[in-house]
Amino acid sequence: DAKTTQPNSMESNEEEPVHLPCNHSTISGTDYIHWYRQLPSQGPEYVIHGLTSNVNNRMASLAIAEDRKSSTLILHRATLRDAAVYYCILRDVWRDDKIIFGKGTRLHILP
Amino acid sequence: DTAVSQTPKYLVTQMGNDKSIKCEQNLGHDTMYWYKQDSKKFLKIMFSYNNKELIINETVPNRFSPKSPDKAHLNLHINSLELGDSAVYFCASSQGTSAQETQYFGPGTRLLVL
Repeated sequence: DAKTTQPNSMESNEEEPVHLPCNHSTISGTDYIHWYRQLPSQGPEYVIHGLTSNVNNRMASLAIAEDRKSSTLILHRATLRDAAVYYCILRDVWRDDKIIFGKGTRLHILP
Repeated sequence: DTAVSQTPKYLVTQMGNDKSIKCEQNLGHDTMYWYKQDSKKFLKIMFSYNNKELIINETVPNRFSPKSPDKAHLNLHINSLELGDSAVYFCASSQGTSAQETQYFGPGTRLLVL
Protein backbone atom coordinates (compact mmCIF):
# COMPACT_ATOMS: atom_id res chain seq x y z
CA ASP A 1 0.00 0.00 0.00
CA ALA A 2 1.22 3.50 -0.85
CA LYS A 3 2.03 5.32 2.36
CA THR A 4 1.61 8.89 3.52
CA THR A 5 3.81 11.05 5.71
CA GLN A 6 2.41 13.86 7.83
CA PRO A 7 3.86 16.07 10.57
CA ASN A 8 3.00 14.78 14.03
CA SER A 9 1.52 18.08 15.16
CA MET A 10 0.85 21.64 14.08
CA GLU A 11 -0.39 24.79 15.71
CA SER A 12 -2.43 27.60 14.29
CA ASN A 13 -4.15 30.69 15.55
CA GLU A 14 -7.91 30.91 15.54
CA GLU A 15 -9.44 32.58 12.50
CA GLU A 16 -6.29 32.12 10.43
CA PRO A 17 -5.83 29.72 7.49
CA VAL A 18 -4.20 26.36 8.15
CA HIS A 19 -2.22 24.35 5.63
CA LEU A 20 -1.81 20.69 6.55
CA PRO A 21 0.78 18.93 4.36
CA CYS A 22 0.90 15.30 3.30
CA ASN A 23 3.63 13.54 1.35
CA HIS A 24 2.81 10.46 -0.70
CA SER A 25 5.79 9.99 -3.00
CA THR A 26 4.86 6.39 -3.91
CA ILE A 27 1.29 7.23 -4.95
CA SER A 28 -0.04 5.28 -7.92
CA GLY A 29 -2.19 6.61 -10.72
CA THR A 30 -5.26 4.92 -9.27
CA ASP A 31 -4.89 6.20 -5.71
CA TYR A 32 -7.45 8.68 -4.46
CA ILE A 33 -6.28 11.10 -1.77
CA HIS A 34 -8.71 11.26 1.15
CA TRP A 35 -8.68 13.36 4.29
CA TYR A 36 -10.52 12.45 7.46
CA ARG A 37 -10.35 14.09 10.85
CA GLN A 38 -11.05 12.87 14.36
CA LEU A 39 -12.28 15.36 16.91
CA PRO A 40 -11.58 14.53 20.59
CA SER A 41 -13.61 11.57 21.85
CA GLN A 42 -15.42 11.18 18.52
CA GLY A 43 -15.25 8.91 15.52
CA PRO A 44 -13.40 9.98 12.38
CA GLU A 45 -15.30 12.15 9.92
CA TYR A 46 -14.77 12.67 6.23
CA VAL A 47 -13.31 15.99 5.16
CA ILE A 48 -12.51 15.87 1.45
CA HIS A 49 -11.01 13.73 -1.30
CA GLY A 50 -9.57 14.13 -4.77
CA LEU A 51 -7.66 12.40 -7.54
CA THR A 52 -5.76 14.95 -9.62
CA SER A 53 -7.50 18.31 -9.53
CA ASN A 54 -7.84 20.64 -6.59
CA VAL A 55 -11.13 20.25 -4.73
CA ASN A 56 -13.23 22.57 -2.61
CA ASN A 57 -16.12 21.88 -0.30
CA ARG A 58 -17.76 23.66 2.59
CA MET A 59 -15.27 22.26 5.09
CA ALA A 60 -11.95 22.67 3.33
CA SER A 61 -9.91 22.77 0.14
CA LEU A 62 -7.55 20.11 -1.15
CA ALA A 63 -4.56 21.23 -3.18
CA ILE A 64 -2.84 18.39 -5.06
CA ALA A 65 0.66 18.82 -6.46
CA GLU A 66 1.04 18.43 -10.20
CA ASP A 67 3.12 15.25 -9.77
CA ARG A 68 0.62 14.04 -7.12
CA LYS A 69 3.44 13.22 -4.72
CA SER A 70 2.09 15.61 -2.13
CA SER A 71 -1.10 17.35 -1.17
CA THR A 72 -2.24 20.04 1.24
CA LEU A 73 -5.46 20.29 3.17
CA ILE A 74 -6.45 23.92 3.61
CA LEU A 75 -8.76 25.13 6.33
CA HIS A 76 -9.52 28.66 5.29
CA ARG A 77 -10.39 30.07 8.68
CA ALA A 78 -9.63 27.81 11.61
CA THR A 79 -11.91 27.74 14.62
CA LEU A 80 -11.42 26.07 17.97
CA ARG A 81 -13.74 23.33 16.76
CA ASP A 82 -11.20 22.40 14.09
CA ALA A 83 -8.77 21.08 16.71
CA ALA A 84 -8.47 17.42 15.80
CA VAL A 85 -6.21 14.74 14.36
CA TYR A 86 -6.18 14.99 10.56
CA TYR A 87 -5.49 11.85 8.54
CA CYS A 88 -4.27 11.84 4.95
CA ILE A 89 -5.15 8.50 3.36
CA LEU A 90 -4.63 6.90 -0.05
CA ARG A 91 -7.29 4.58 -1.40
CA ASP A 92 -6.63 2.54 -4.54
CA VAL A 93 -9.61 2.25 -6.83
CA TRP A 94 -8.57 -1.29 -7.83
CA ARG A 95 -8.17 -2.71 -4.37
CA ASP A 96 -10.44 -3.48 -1.47
CA ASP A 97 -12.21 -0.81 0.43
CA LYS A 98 -10.32 -0.75 3.69
CA ILE A 99 -9.03 2.62 4.89
CA ILE A 100 -5.52 2.46 6.32
CA PHE A 101 -5.09 5.19 8.90
CA GLY A 102 -1.61 6.48 9.71
CA LYS A 103 -0.66 8.57 12.73
CA GLY A 104 -2.11 11.76 11.31
CA THR A 105 -1.39 15.36 12.29
CA ARG A 106 -2.69 16.66 15.59
CA LEU A 107 -3.83 20.24 14.95
CA HIS A 108 -3.89 22.62 17.90
CA ILE A 109 -5.84 25.85 17.54
CA LEU A 110 -4.75 28.75 19.72
CA PRO A 111 -7.45 31.22 20.77
CA ASP B 1 -31.05 11.68 13.63
CA THR B 2 -27.87 9.76 14.32
CA ALA B 3 -26.51 8.24 11.11
CA VAL B 4 -24.34 5.53 12.66
CA SER B 5 -25.08 4.59 16.25
CA GLN B 6 -23.36 2.19 18.60
CA THR B 7 -24.36 0.68 21.92
CA PRO B 8 -23.14 0.70 24.53
CA LYS B 9 -21.01 3.83 24.61
CA TYR B 10 -18.95 2.49 27.51
CA LEU B 11 -18.33 -1.12 28.50
CA VAL B 12 -16.36 -2.21 31.55
CA THR B 13 -15.99 -5.93 32.10
CA GLN B 14 -13.81 -8.63 33.59
CA MET B 15 -11.29 -10.78 31.76
CA GLY B 16 -12.80 -13.95 30.39
CA ASN B 17 -16.29 -12.53 29.92
CA ASP B 18 -18.18 -12.50 26.62
CA LYS B 19 -19.64 -9.21 25.41
CA SER B 20 -21.35 -7.75 22.37
CA ILE B 21 -21.32 -4.30 20.79
CA LYS B 22 -24.15 -3.29 18.51
CA CYS B 23 -24.07 -0.99 15.51
CA GLU B 24 -26.89 0.39 13.43
CA GLN B 25 -26.88 2.75 10.46
CA ASN B 26 -29.91 4.54 9.06
CA LEU B 27 -28.20 5.77 5.89
CA GLY B 28 -29.35 2.91 3.69
CA HIS B 29 -25.74 1.88 3.09
CA ASP B 30 -24.72 -1.55 1.83
CA THR B 31 -21.31 -1.75 3.53
CA MET B 32 -20.42 -1.71 7.21
CA TYR B 33 -17.13 -1.92 9.09
CA TRP B 34 -15.58 -2.41 12.50
CA TYR B 35 -12.39 -0.56 13.45
CA LYS B 36 -10.29 -0.77 16.61
CA GLN B 37 -8.41 2.20 18.06
CA ASP B 38 -5.86 1.18 20.66
CA SER B 39 -4.28 3.17 23.47
CA LYS B 40 -1.67 4.58 21.09
CA LYS B 41 -4.53 5.94 18.98
CA PHE B 42 -3.80 3.78 15.94
CA LEU B 43 -7.02 3.08 14.08
CA LYS B 44 -7.14 -0.29 12.33
CA ILE B 45 -9.84 -2.02 10.35
CA MET B 46 -11.07 -5.36 11.69
CA PHE B 47 -13.96 -6.42 9.49
CA SER B 48 -16.03 -5.26 6.56
CA TYR B 49 -19.40 -6.52 5.41
CA ASN B 50 -21.10 -5.78 2.10
CA ASN B 51 -24.76 -6.77 1.77
CA LYS B 52 -24.40 -8.96 4.86
CA GLU B 53 -21.41 -10.81 3.44
CA LEU B 54 -17.94 -10.67 4.97
CA ILE B 55 -15.47 -9.05 2.56
CA ILE B 56 -12.59 -8.00 4.83
CA ASN B 57 -11.25 -9.92 7.80
CA GLU B 58 -7.98 -8.47 9.00
CA THR B 59 -5.95 -10.91 11.08
CA VAL B 60 -8.31 -10.66 14.00
CA PRO B 61 -8.40 -13.40 16.69
CA ASN B 62 -11.35 -15.70 16.16
CA ARG B 63 -12.62 -14.63 19.59
CA PHE B 64 -14.05 -11.71 17.63
CA SER B 65 -17.09 -12.63 15.58
CA PRO B 66 -19.05 -10.07 13.59
CA LYS B 67 -22.69 -10.73 12.81
CA SER B 68 -24.82 -8.89 10.29
CA PRO B 69 -28.52 -9.75 10.70
CA ASP B 70 -29.41 -7.25 7.98
CA LYS B 71 -27.74 -4.49 5.98
CA ALA B 72 -28.47 -1.87 8.63
CA HIS B 73 -26.83 -3.73 11.51
CA LEU B 74 -23.36 -5.09 12.19
CA ASN B 75 -22.76 -6.41 15.68
CA LEU B 76 -19.45 -7.45 17.17
CA HIS B 77 -19.31 -10.31 19.65
CA ILE B 78 -16.15 -10.88 21.66
CA ASN B 79 -15.53 -14.13 23.54
CA SER B 80 -13.13 -14.65 26.43
CA LEU B 81 -12.15 -11.00 26.73
CA GLU B 82 -8.48 -10.24 27.36
CA LEU B 83 -6.75 -7.17 28.79
CA GLY B 84 -5.40 -6.33 25.33
CA ASP B 85 -8.93 -6.01 23.98
CA SER B 86 -9.30 -2.72 25.85
CA ALA B 87 -9.72 -0.10 23.16
CA VAL B 88 -12.26 2.08 21.44
CA TYR B 89 -14.24 0.23 18.78
CA PHE B 90 -15.74 2.22 15.92
CA CYS B 91 -18.42 1.09 13.55
CA ALA B 92 -18.65 2.71 10.12
CA SER B 93 -20.71 2.44 6.96
CA SER B 94 -20.49 3.45 3.33
CA GLN B 95 -22.79 3.18 0.33
CA GLY B 96 -20.50 0.77 -1.47
CA THR B 97 -16.93 -0.46 -1.57
CA SER B 98 -15.54 1.98 -4.13
CA ALA B 99 -12.37 3.88 -3.23
CA GLN B 100 -14.36 7.08 -3.73
CA GLU B 101 -16.94 6.20 -1.12
CA THR B 102 -17.10 8.20 2.08
CA GLN B 103 -17.16 6.20 5.28
CA TYR B 104 -19.38 7.44 8.10
CA PHE B 105 -18.23 6.54 11.59
CA GLY B 106 -20.16 5.99 14.77
CA PRO B 107 -19.26 7.63 18.10
CA GLY B 108 -17.30 4.64 19.34
CA THR B 109 -17.63 2.10 22.16
CA ARG B 110 -15.00 2.41 24.87
CA LEU B 111 -14.20 -1.08 26.14
CA LEU B 112 -12.20 -1.55 29.31
CA VAL B 113 -11.26 -5.08 30.34
CA LEU B 114 -10.17 -5.45 33.96
